[in-house]
Amino acid sequence: EPEVTQTPSHQVTQMGQEVILRCVPISNHLYFYWYRQILGQKVEFLVSFYNNEISEKSEIFDDQFSVERPDGSNFTLKIRSTKLEDSAMYFCASRGQGKGPSGANVLTFGAGSRLTVL
Amino acid sequence: QQQVKQSPQSLIVQKGGISIINCAYENTAFDYFPWYQQFPGKGPALLIAIRPDVSEKKEGRFTISFNKSAKQFSLHIMDSQPGDSATYFCAASVGLNSGYALNFGKGTSLLVTP
Repeated sequence: EPEVTQTPSHQVTQMGQEVILRCVPISNHLYFYWYRQILGQKVEFLVSFYNNEISEKSEIFDDQFSVERPDGSNFTLKIRSTKLEDSAMYFCASRGQGKGPSGANVLTFGAGSRLTVL
Repeated sequence: QQQVKQSPQSLIVQKGGISIINCAYENTAFDYFPWYQQFPGKGPALLIAIRPDVSEKKEGRFTISFNKSAKQFSLHIMDSQPGDSATYFCAASVGLNSGYALNFGKGTSLLVTP
């Protein structure tokens, strides 16, 4: 079964450092997303990406965040200057054009990258 | 602003029992309501989903009940099994052709005891 792959699985960084989280979406998917989950809290939408541009972003996704699809397979999330409150599990997700069982496209999530900011 | 409220936070059910998780939403523009299942160390995985034009959807032991007027929907797990022990998230979103931002509930940790 196709899956979304994320690296690293866990990264520890010092406050103020730049972090890049990487994702390899399912190969024929066209829509890409980043979500995050602070420990014990709900999964929160960060950004969606389609056709090489951001299609939607949340209030969380401020100027410290950026996304990029540097080649045909990778999708990255960069945090320029990490803060303590950026510590969370970051999930990448992708979806294709096909319809799911409820007539809506299905998001497939990766296993996540845990970011710890010290 | 919490657009999707989920309860209970945790749930313990005996094997064979019925697990019920409830969600309520505020945005009447939401038109897609999925449930995600998450095991430790894994990402959320779509379990079952419903559109607001139906009041119930059943897939195997999992059923979504949807009440549009009350802006509520629930997940019922019949004949609960220890393998169902996981965290369950309800979610809601607007539109099929948008950026598809899912608004998640806070999650319910389900433990099914043998």
